[in-house]
Amino acid sequence: QVQLVQSGAEVRKPGASVKVSCKASGYTFTSYYIHWVRQAPGQGLEWMGKISPSGGSTSHAQNFQDRVTMTRDTSTRTVFMELYSLRSDDTAVYFCARADSGLGAFDFWGQGTMVTVSS
Amino acid sequence: DIQMTQSPSSLSTSVGDRVTITCRASQSISGYLNWYQQTPGKPPKLLIYGTSSFRSGVPSRFSGSGSGTDFTLTISSLQPEDVGTYYCQQTYSSPPTFGQGTKLQIK
Repeated sequence: QVQLVQSGAEVRKPGASVKVSCKASGYTFTSYYIHWVRQAPGQGLEWMGKISPSGGSTSHAQNFQDRVTMTRDTSTRTVFMELYSLRSDDTAVYFCARADSGLGAFDFWGQGTMVTVSS
Repeated sequence: DIQMTQSPSSLSTSVGDRVTITCRASQSISGYLNWYQQTPGKPPKLLIYGTSSFRSGVPSRFSGSGSGTDFTLTISSLQPEDVGTYYCQQTYSSPPTFGQGTKLQIK
């Protein structure tokens, strides 16, 4: 069965960076884009960007253009999202999600990774 | 970016009632509209994609309709397990954008 398993919760100080992983299983890894979405406490869903596991091409939301890097390791079927220059308002749950190849809906999600930014 | 606006923001209704949530896009999205349900502490779960196609395993009391800029999620007879927050999302153009969510509670 399709599964996306994310790394565990992280605590960082302002100005630091964090790298979250998302390990895929149960499907052809290179056939589906992986997206990253975050959710601040009590708030809605905010799209951050996507990566093609096949070629590694990425696209990011303008809000994160200079602060985020998305990479993948095809040998371990893992996608990574690294966010730099963390601020307190980056405190959120970060989700990875697979996009179906037809209409692009996010059909499978990781369990979420809580990132807390606090001095 | 395409803006997605949901209404209402919150809803409290009784078991067995018919529930309707609407989602309006700031421009035509040609049917590329998806609905998700999220319960506390869990990731969103895809319910409906492409306006009206059911995800496997989703109860038949859920349905989606609409076209162009106006879309609707309907629950024909609300059940206790339907409590949660519902989000619409457009995947017509990048960036994919979500509505602000509709929090559904049982009276």
